[in-house]
Parts: sequence; C-alpha cells; structure tokens
Amino acid sequence: DAKTTQPNSMESNEEEPVHLPCNHSTISGTDYIHWYRQLPSQGPEYVIHGLTSNVNNRMASLAIAEDRKSSTLILHRATLRDAAVYYCILRDLRNTGTASKLTFGTGTRLQVTL
Amino acid sequence: DAGVIQSPRHEVTEMGQEVTLRCKPISGHNSLFWYRQTMMRGLELLIYFNNNVPIDDSGMPEDRFSAKMPNASFSTLKIQPSEPRDSAVYFCASSFRVAGEKLFFGSGTQLSVL
Repeated sequence: DAKTTQPNSMESNEEEPVHLPCNHSTISGTDYIHWYRQLPSQGPEYVIHGLTSNVNNRMASLAIAEDRKSSTLILHRATLRDAAVYYCILRDLRNTGTASKLTFGTGTRLQVTL
Repeated sequence: DAGVIQSPRHEVTEMGQEVTLRCKPISGHNSLFWYRQTMMRGLELLIYFNNNVPIDDSGMPEDRFSAKMPNASFSTLKIQPSEPRDSAVYFCASSFRVAGEKLFFGSGTQLSVL
C-alpha cells in the first residue's frame, strides 16, 4: 500500500489559517487522498477527500500538488475545537478488495492556542 | 440519524472473562468495520463485513477474538478469554458500501482488562 508521511505535530493560533502537509510520493493513479481527524475521546471523523483537483467543503480545503505526490489540508480559521489528530490516508476506491482497508498512520497532532 | 452506536461506552473486566462489544451501524449502510486503538499501535482494522458477510478478518489478532453480524443493524465483537493486552479503545464504523467514500465511526468502547 502506498504510504503517507505527516509531521508528528503542529501548532496554530486561533483564527489563523492552518496548512497540514502530507507527502505521498508512491501514490498510484487510482489512489484517492482522504483526510480524517480524531478529536480527543472520539472516533475518527471524515474531513475531505480528492483525486486530482483541489476540493472545498464546509470543514476544510484540500490542495493537491500537480504531480499528486503531496497534498495540504487547509483549515481556513482554526478554532480550539479543531485541536485533533489529522490523518492523511490513501484509498484506492476502484478496488473493492483493498479499498476498505482504511489504514491509519500516526497523523499530525494539531494544537490550537488562544 | 443517531450515527453509529456502540455499547458499552466503558467496560472493565478481569483477565479470563468473556467480553462482548456491540455496534449498531447507520441504517442503510451495508459495510461495517471494527477497529482497535492503542497508544503503541494506533488505529488497526480488525475485521470488516459487507452485507453481513465477513470479508477480511486478517487483522483479528488471535482466535480469542471473534466477530459476528447476524443482521444489517447489529454486530458484536467478542473476546474470550480476555487478557490485559486487549485493553484498548474499540471502534465500530459503517459506510454505504465497502469502497464507500466515507466511514462513519462510533464513539468507541474503552476496554480495560485487569
């Protein structure tokens, strides 16, 4: 399975934008880039996903490099409630045999301060 | 929708006892996943079902672990006999299809085996 690399931790000030990087140099052409986050004492929560084009939703934006070897999750205005572990995951959604294996790495722990 | 419902929220038991964790997936979802989270190993996929049929149980650590899905609205994960190293948070997740875009996670069961 293609792997992702993320920084262990990042800090941000409240109401500032946050850019969470993810490297995936061995990504295949059919791998989708997914982001989940896990707030303290909760289960993981879907954030966003994309294939090639940048994506926006109410939670965040996903910027994907042209060569797809890296991506960045963007929180436009961090709040204290965004403090969580953010996971970048590759999923081949066209392969039902392995696509289900949503494999979590260690993620990036985001701290948000006042 | 109430989301994925897991019970109990917390379970404390003694080594050697049988433990049963329960999960009710989101109505209409036909794929169900059991994960385990520990500090040492992070989030691990134990087993997943599609249309109530176990598809891949390669993540189940030992024969002491078993999972069933008797119908579309209920699944159990059983540990018999339990051991202290089984202490972890166990998450259940569901999605519309195995290769579905989003997994929805429950709040987890915190298991402590003394």
